[in-house]
Amino acid sequence: DGGITQSPKYLFRKEGQNVTLSCEQNLNHDAMYWYRQDPGQGLRLIYYSQIVNDFQKGDIAEGYSVSREKKESFPLTVTSAQKNPTAFYLCASSIKQGGETQYFGPGTRLLVL
Amino acid sequence: KQEVTQIPAALSVPEGENLVLNCSFTDSAIYNLQWFRQDPGKGLTSLLLIQSSQREQTSGRLNASLDKSSGRSTLYIAASQPGDSATYLCAVRGGTGANNLFFGTGTRLTVIP
Repeated sequence: DGGITQSPKYLFRKEGQNVTLSCEQNLNHDAMYWYRQDPGQGLRLIYYSQIVNDFQKGDIAEGYSVSREKKESFPLTVTSAQKNPTAFYLCASSIKQGGETQYFGPGTRLLVL
Repeated sequence: KQEVTQIPAALSVPEGENLVLNCSFTDSAIYNLQWFRQDPGKGLTSLLLIQSSQREQTSGRLNASLDKSSGRSTLYIAASQPGDSATYLCAVRGGTGANNLFFGTGTRLTVIP
């Protein structure tokens, strides 16, 4: 089955802790994206990557970091600098940068203890 | 900055009714517009993508129209079914085909059996 997987489904973060959200795709897509979804707000772009070993900040990158060492994987780290991390995080991918349909994973809900 | 608005925020209809969901955007210089469906606690599923040069797209009981000059799109759902109950999101991509998708906050649809 081709698709995008995200893990874990739920993640709990303690004060001052860094946590990493996993995103894997087997669609052979070049571009990958991370969005944050909050109640009553539209999805907002955190980071995106057009190709391996390259990534760019989105609208709300502060307090987050990413890496793109493999085409299939685009993990997101929520650092302790992110003061309001509670949200639903969605990963997406597309064949190439720009103009193409984005395919989304099932999401990870991050909660703060 | 592009702003995307979806009205109404919530809609309830009896099964079998035809319905229209609305999406408006402030900057008419878009590359394309995409409609998504989101079930509670899940990721997004792409329904229809309309390129800026197109006026409408159809898939089964769904028809999406685009009027770029007035900054509006509609999603028409024919003969609604309880399984159509979900949140519907529209998103626009900027005129240069840039990576950023600007999302509306969605319309939560409930189809009553």
